[in-house]
Amino acid sequence: GENVEQHPSTLSVQEGDSAVIKCTYSDSASNYFPWYKQELGKGPQLIIDIRSNVGEKKDQRIAVTLNKTAKHFSLHITETQPEDSAVYFCAASIHSSASKIIFGSGTRLSIRP
Amino acid sequence: DTGVSQNPRHKITKRGQNVTFRCDPISEHNRLYWYRQTLGQGPEFLTYFQNEAQLEKSRLLSDRFSAERPKGSFSTLEIQRTEQGDSAMYLCASSQRRGRDTEAFFGQGTRLTVV
Repeated sequence: GENVEQHPSTLSVQEGDSAVIKCTYSDSASNYFPWYKQELGKGPQLIIDIRSNVGEKKDQRIAVTLNKTAKHFSLHITETQPEDSAVYFCAASIHSSASKIIFGSGTRLSIRP
Repeated sequence: DTGVSQNPRHKITKRGQNVTFRCDPISEHNRLYWYRQTLGQGPEFLTYFQNEAQLEKSRLLSDRFSAERPKGSFSTLEIQRTEQGDSAMYLCASSQRRGRDTEAFFGQGTRLTVV
C-alpha cells in the first residue's frame, strides 16, 4: 500500500522568510496530492492540492511542486506570517478511484516574530 | 454551517465501556471517511463509505470497531469495550466525486479519552 514520508517534523522560520516542507510517496499509481493545515484542537483544513498532470501549482503565498519521476512533492510558503504557525500534512491518493487518502506524519511550523 | 459536523466534540469514558460517535457529512457528499489521529501523528485511515456501502476497512479497525452509514447520509462509529489505547482524536471527512474533483473536507473531530 501507499506510504507517505514527510520532512522535517518541526520547522522554525523567521517571519517573512520562506518555509519548505518535503514529502515522498511510494505508490506510483497515486495521482492526487493534497496538503492540509491543522491548528490546535481543529480538524485538518485543505489548503492546496496538486494532480499528477501538472508539476507546479500556486495560490498566493503557497505553492506546491510535484516530481512524479522521483515521487517527491513539496509545499512552499513565502513571506511567512504568524498565522501560518500550525501543523501541515501532506497526503496522497489515487484520484480516479474510490480510494483512501494516506497522510504523512506532519510538520509543526513555527513562525518567529 | 455547511461543513462536516461531528458529535460529540469530547468524550471521556471508562475502560470497558462502549462509545458511539456521529458524523454528518457535507450535504450531497457521497463519500465519507473515518480517520484516527494520535498526538503528534498524521491521521490514520480507518474506513471509507461510498453512499451506504462500506468499501474498505483498515487493519487498524479491530473487531471492537464498527462503522455504519445506513442511509448514505450520516455515519456512526462505535467502539466496544474501550481500551486506553483507543484514546485519540477520531476524524470524519467527506468528499463528492464531481468530475475530477474529490477534495476531502474534515470535521473538527471527536476527542476520546479512555480512563
